Amino acid sequence: GENVEQHPSTLSVQEGDSAVIKCTYSDSASNYFPWYKQELGKGPQLIIDIRSNVGEKKDQRIAVTLNKTAKHFSLHITETQPEDSAVYFCAASKKGTYKYIFGTGTRLKVLA
Amino acid sequence: GAGVSQSPRYKVAKRGQDVALRCDPISGHVSLFWYQQALGQGPEFLTYFQNEAQLDKSGLPSDRFFAERPEGSVSTLKIQRTQQEDSAVYLCASSLAPGGTLNEQFFGPGTRLTVL
Repeated sequence: GENVEQHPSTLSVQEGDSAVIKCTYSDSASNYFPWYKQELGKGPQLIIDIRSNVGEKKDQRIAVTLNKTAKHFSLHITETQPEDSAVYFCAASKKGTYKYIFGTGTRLKVLA
Repeated sequence: GAGVSQSPRYKVAKRGQDVALRCDPISGHVSLFWYQQALGQGPEFLTYFQNEAQLDKSGLPSDRFFAERPEGSVSTLKIQRTQQEDSAVYLCASSLAPGGTLNEQFFGPGTRLTVL
């Protein structure tokens, strides 16, 4: 079945620096890749997503890139702020299905 | 309400007890999902409802797990004869349209279940 690997598991950056989180997926039929942010005691919240017909998508300080050939996708956060500290999850899903396969998460700490 | 709500937020059960977890999805959302999130892991799919119909229960780990959504809105996840390995956060999510990758899933805050 589909598998999504995510790394690093923890990431500490200085405020203002950039953070990059990477995921790989196993099923070449996957075509939708959302990223979720989960703060302590809360449910995951969608922050950005990308579909397989697009290579890159940007929303203010957040961007996601997709390499279908290598089956990699990455989250890029620029000019990090303390409020970016949270656990980030990538996920993959196939066309016509509703199941999200989540990665294991990355705990991001932004140091002031 | 403005978002997905779940109750209780925390539940402690003795091994062997039955528990019921409630999910109130966003009003009007057709699709409802249950996920299990073990400590330090990503959410894992349990089951999916489209209105009142349970279309997929392939992720339920055993026949001790049962979910229902009788009127197509509120859903209940029931776990019978709880075991220690059932300890996890149970997340509910809803989306506006029938299942498919085009629809954002909105998550509730989860219920943290601890089985002693």
